[in-house]
Amino acid sequence: LAKTTQPISMDSYEGQEVNITCSHNNIATNDYITWYQQFPSQGPRFIIQGYKTKVTNEVASLFIPADRKSSTLSLPRVSLSDTAVYYCLVGDMGGTGNTPLVFGKGTRLSVIA
Amino acid sequence: NAGVTQTPKFQVLKTGQSMTLQCAQDMNHNSMYWYRQDPGMGLRLIYYSASEGTTDKGEVPNGYNVSRLNKREFSLRLESAAPSQTSVYFCASSNTGELFFGEGSRLTVL
Repeated sequence: LAKTTQPISMDSYEGQEVNITCSHNNIATNDYITWYQQFPSQGPRFIIQGYKTKVTNEVASLFIPADRKSSTLSLPRVSLSDTAVYYCLVGDMGGTGNTPLVFGKGTRLSVIA
Repeated sequence: NAGVTQTPKFQVLKTGQSMTLQCAQDMNHNSMYWYRQDPGMGLRLIYYSASEGTTDKGEVPNGYNVSRLNKREFSLRLESAAPSQTSVYFCASSNTGELFFGEGSRLTVL
């Protein structure tokens, strides 16, 4: 199982860019990197997914170096509503479902006004 | 669209009682998962099912059993509930690795 390591918590002011890094040293060739956001009393929801280099969507960017042993989720200009726990997940996303998708401990982001 | 539906949303059990958490998805996904989340903690995988008729253990399977009844439904059973199983249980489904979660089932074992 590809294990991930993230900072336990981070604080940021509103309007700042936040970068959360995840380490996954034993990532496998077929593994993708996916980030989820979780608010209290809700299930996690998908933010972004990538395999290598850079991926950008309307809410975030994901940077993955060539060795793929880490990844960085970038949230531009955070607001109070971005206060949540962010999880990095590594696994085979080929749709076979044979990979047990294991979450790490997550990073608790607190956005301050 | 319903997505992933879990029942019940809340349940209180006494130690030793049994119960089944139900999960159904209407997205025609092959893979389904059961996670538990203790207060202030991350999600831990209990069991998963890659396809109808197959199930595999996750990180914390002890004390639980599962059934992949058909492609839509994946149930989690506690045969003899213990206070350590007090938690919020999330069911999820996936086809391409993006997990879709239910709203969770909050279980308290007294």
